[in-house]
Amino acid sequence: DAGITQSPRHKVTETGTPVTLRCHQTENHRYMYWYRQDPGHGLRLIHYSYGVKDTDKGEVSDGYSVSRSKTEDFLLTLESATSSQTSVYFCAISVSGGAVANEQFFGPGTRLTVL
Amino acid sequence: KQEVTQIPAALSVPEGENLVLNCSFTDSAIYNLQWFRQDPGKGLTSLLLIQSSQREQTSGRLNASLDKSSGRSTLYIAASQPGDSATYLCAVGGGQGGFQKLVFGTGTRLLVSP
Repeated sequence: DAGITQSPRHKVTETGTPVTLRCHQTENHRYMYWYRQDPGHGLRLIHYSYGVKDTDKGEVSDGYSVSRSKTEDFLLTLESATSSQTSVYFCAISVSGGAVANEQFFGPGTRLTVL
Repeated sequence: KQEVTQIPAALSVPEGENLVLNCSFTDSAIYNLQWFRQDPGKGLTSLLLIQSSQREQTSGRLNASLDKSSGRSTLYIAASQPGDSATYLCAVGGGQGGFQKLVFGTGTRLLVSP
């Protein structure tokens, strides 16, 4: 599992509330990613990071922000949650070198429900 | 914009059959292609990674091929088992070095019956 954990694993919240999801990795990988998975759409990239304080937008970034103040933590924030953000959120890392260079490994996911 | 399609969307086979899952992509300028397995309610498990310069990769009963020029990849599963039942996802990578932006297909849901 490449030492990736996500918290919380499940969350139910109300429309308009802020929500922060955390991704934690233990192996000092430089690159980290946030995806969301929805039926009929597959996984889509929200934001990614290529180092501490270095982040950029992915395909579906509207309504989301991210922060990375330490190598091991990548936070995804929904500033004001909407029902369309009900989804399963996955964090991933990619490996920079070695036998599995460029391979992405995923965390267990966070199921978010916005009522 | 890269688009990834997986056919069929669902597949049901009896145990022991050899089977092929298909993945096609619209832009051949990819850096790599990765196959994943996802069990219901779980995360993604990486099965095979094929770099753009490679033609195939093998791991146990799994063999993945890549034809960049035609925009196609196949995942071959030999002697299928009930434990192979899962959704299989194909993703193409664009980027360089350790950084990859993956574009996913919507998956093939496989059911292997005893």
